[in-house]
Amino acid sequence: GAVVSQHPSRVICKSGTSVKIECRSLDFQATTMFWYRQFPKQSLMLMATSNEGSKATYEQGVEKDKFLINHASLTLSTLTVTSAHPEDSSFYICSATLRRGPTDTQYFGPGTRLTVL
Amino acid sequence: AQKITQTQPGMFVQEKEAVTLDCTYDTSDPSYGLFWYKQPSSGEMIFLIYQGSYDQQNATEGRYSLNFQKARKSANLVISASQLGDSAMYFCAMREGEDQGAQKLVFGQGTRLTINP
Repeated sequence: GAVVSQHPSRVICKSGTSVKIECRSLDFQATTMFWYRQFPKQSLMLMATSNEGSKATYEQGVEKDKFLINHASLTLSTLTVTSAHPEDSSFYICSATLRRGPTDTQYFGPGTRLTVL
Repeated sequence: AQKITQTQPGMFVQEKEAVTLDCTYDTSDPSYGLFWYKQPSSGEMIFLIYQGSYDQQNATEGRYSLNFQKARKSANLVISASQLGDSAMYFCAMREGEDQGAQKLVFGQGTRLTINP
């Protein structure tokens, strides 16, 4: 149990295009999902908290108009990188929360590697 | 100040030996949770173990145990009888505040563990 999928796993796009990444909790419902960005050999940086049925909460310094988040159902959140540029190239990883035992635990998807040419 | 500190950027261990990965944290909140995740080269973050600040006993999950020393604010991960498949990046993370609903995690910089045959 607690399987999270992401699609696509890898995407290459031209500068100026928009890219949508899907995050799905396959065997559980997740009221809250999180989106992270990870640069090579670095830790995860939280971008935003995605709550089903409401607006996402963005971390300081993250442009909400650049990184659009939609949490349309209890099993799906999407991140759209609008007008992507080479500096947006990164590894994007989502997580979905599930209460199992004493606490809510974040279970992560396999990540999406975005390369903007 | 860093909330989560992992002082070992890299560790090399012989197969079948036990290994301890260090993690210290900084918080003034009496209620918090500590997590360890494993990130293989594939990129997925795999949840390993959780320790709550009020837990009296150290958490254990199979070959993983957490050496929780509250007064020293340390939460070291111990892997017993290491295997080649344990080679990966390991992240320590902390959730602050009362455990009411999903809350964001703060991650350390990670430790790259390499198991030698």
